[in-house]
Amino acid sequence: TQLLEQSPQFLSIQEGENLTVYCNSSSVFSSLQWYRQEPGEGPVLLVTVVTGGEVKKLKRLTFQFGDARKDSSLHITAAQPGDTGLYLCAGVTSGTYKYIFGTGTRLKVLA
Amino acid sequence: DVKVTQSSRYLVKRTGEKVFLECVQDMDHENMFWYRQDPGLGLRLIYFSYDVKMKEKGDIPEGYSVSREKKERFSLILESASTNQTSMYLCASILGQNTGELFFGEGSRLTVL
Repeated sequence: TQLLEQSPQFLSIQEGENLTVYCNSSSVFSSLQWYRQEPGEGPVLLVTVVTGGEVKKLKRLTFQFGDARKDSSLHITAAQPGDTGLYLCAGVTSGTYKYIFGTGTRLKVLA
Repeated sequence: DVKVTQSSRYLVKRTGEKVFLECVQDMDHENMFWYRQDPGLGLRLIYFSYDVKMKEKGDIPEGYSVSREKKERFSLILESASTNQTSMYLCASILGQNTGELFFGEGSRLTVL
C-alpha cells in the first residue's frame, strides 16, 4: 500500500515566520500535488510538480519535488494569517487515477 | 466558473439507516471520486467512476456503494449506516489526464448516531 507521510501534523506560528512542511513516501510517483483546504471547504490545488528535482514558486510558497520523485516539501516565507489551513500532498502514479493523499499538516498563523 | 456541488453539507442519521450523498459537477468531467476524510488519515478513496455506469473500488469500499447514471452525477450510498462511518465525505472530479487538478465539492459531514 502506498503511503504519504506528512510532517509536522500541526504547526502554530507567528505571522512573519518561515516554515517547511514535508511529504515523504517509499513509493515513486509520476507527479505530486499540493492542496490547501480551509474550514468548511474542499481542498483546492496549489501546484503540481512532475519532474524530479523540480522547484516551483507561488508567491511566498516554494514547492520542491525530490530527485527520486518519492518526496516533496512546501516552504512558506513570511507566513501570513491567510496561509492558515490544512495542507495536503497527493501523489499520482502514471496510468492510474489513484491519488494517494498525505496525512495532512494543519497550519495556524497567528497575527 | 467550475463547480462541484454536494447536495447535503450536514447530515445526522441513525445506525441502520440508508444514506444517499449526491454530487453534481458542471464541467463535463469523465472521472469522479468519493473520498472520506478523517483527522490524521488524510483523504481515503472509497470509489471512483471513469464513465457513466462504470465504477471501480478504491481503498475502503466496504459498507459503501455508488451509482453513476448520468455523466454529471455521482452518488455515494451507505446501505446501512454505522457509527464508524461518521466522517467528512468529499466528492471530486477531473477531466481526463491523471496529472490534472482534482476539483472538490465543499464536503458532506455525516454523523451516525
